[in-house]
Amino acid sequence: EPEVTQTPSHQVTQMGQEVILRCVPISNHLYFYWYRQILGQKVEFLVSFYNNEISEKSEIFDDQFSVERPDGSNFTLKIRSTKLEDSAMYFCASIPTSGRLEQYFGPGTRLTVT
Amino acid sequence: AQSVTQLDSQVPVFEEAPVELRCNYSSSVSVYLFWYVQYPNQGLQLLLKYLSGSTLVKGINGFEAEFNKSQTSFHLRKPSVHISDTAEYFCAVRRGGSQGNLIFGKGTKLSVKP
Repeated sequence: EPEVTQTPSHQVTQMGQEVILRCVPISNHLYFYWYRQILGQKVEFLVSFYNNEISEKSEIFDDQFSVERPDGSNFTLKIRSTKLEDSAMYFCASIPTSGRLEQYFGPGTRLTVT
Repeated sequence: AQSVTQLDSQVPVFEEAPVELRCNYSSSVSVYLFWYVQYPNQGLQLLLKYLSGSTLVKGINGFEAEFNKSQTSFHLRKPSVHISDTAEYFCAVRRGGSQGNLIFGKGTKLSVKP
């Protein structure tokens, strides 16, 4: 069964550095999402993406964040200048069409900012 | 605004005992509800979903949930749990719109003891 994949599984970076988290959604999916889960807290929505542009974003998704679908298969989340509070598990999700309601999640990337 | 409340942060239970994980939601629009499971160090896996129709929904691994509109609840149940059910369980409601993101509860850690 097709799966959403994410790389790396764990990323350690120093405060102020840029990180790029990568996701490969299921091949025929059209809508993409990023969520994050700070340790011990609930999963929170960051951004949704469709047709090569952001559809919606939460208040967490400030100017330090950006998303891109650079080559038709990868879907990336960039954090320009990481802060300690960006340490979290980041999940990518996708759905095939607007009529499908369940989101397929990747295994996540654990980001640790030191 | 839509929201999800999971009333129990931790539920310890003995193997083969029944379990109920509680979830209440608030929504002023059509409701689409989901339960996801997160095993240790893994991503989110869909357990079951309520989109419409029968209020009793059956999912994977022997879980089921009942949608109760009058009580705005979507409690998850399993008649007999296994050690392997030890995980964190998240209730989520899908925000309105064709690309609506998921709004998650804080999660319930189910701990099954022998």
